Amino acid sequence: GESVGLHLPTLSVQEGDNSIINCAYSNSASDYFIWYKQESGKGPQFIIDIRSNMDKRQGQRVTVLLNKTVKHLSLQIAATQPGDSAVYFCAERQGAQKLVFGQGTRLTINP
Amino acid sequence: DAGITQSPRHKVTETGTPVTLRCHQTENHRYMYWYRQDPGHGLRLIHYSYGVKDTDKGEVSDGYSVSRSKTEDFLLTLESATSSQTSVYFCAASTGENIQYFGAGTRLSVL
Repeated sequence: GESVGLHLPTLSVQEGDNSIINCAYSNSASDYFIWYKQESGKGPQFIIDIRSNMDKRQGQRVTVLLNKTVKHLSLQIAATQPGDSAVYFCAERQGAQKLVFGQGTRLTINP
Repeated sequence: DAGITQSPRHKVTETGTPVTLRCHQTENHRYMYWYRQDPGHGLRLIHYSYGVKDTDKGEVSDGYSVSRSKTEDFLLTLESATSSQTSVYFCAASTGENIQYFGAGTRLSVL
């Protein structure tokens, strides 16, 4: 069936650098995507979302890019900080009010 | 945790015993969800509810049942727990605007 996946299971970056976390999706009809951050021992926290009629959306230090041509989604984190260490999940809406999650990327920050 | 409380936070039980996990929300969200999270699988939807007494199955519903008698409470029951149901369980809620807000999770061990 349709699924959401990630290119890399782990990503290690230097503190202060920008982080880019990638996500591929297979359902070309998907119209809504969302990113979550999950810190150890906690539930997922909403970061940012984007609808398919947009290519880019910015939040505070985060930007989501959507490339519908190649069915690719990315989350960019500017000036990565130690507090950004977490697992990041992308998800796509499937049917009414349901989300399908990718397996997650673990982001680690090197001092 | 966006007003979502899960109880218990940790539980150890034996194979064959019934287990009920509770999710309580204070934001009057219409939609509620139960997920399980396992290594290599990300978050998988077990059951969801779109209103009081209105529920439907998710991707991995076998062996689980749910009930929602009040807007604020969504119960997940394992009628006869098996070792394969050892997992971390997350409850989420949403107003229907796609963003789901998650609780802190329940870690369940079935021995």
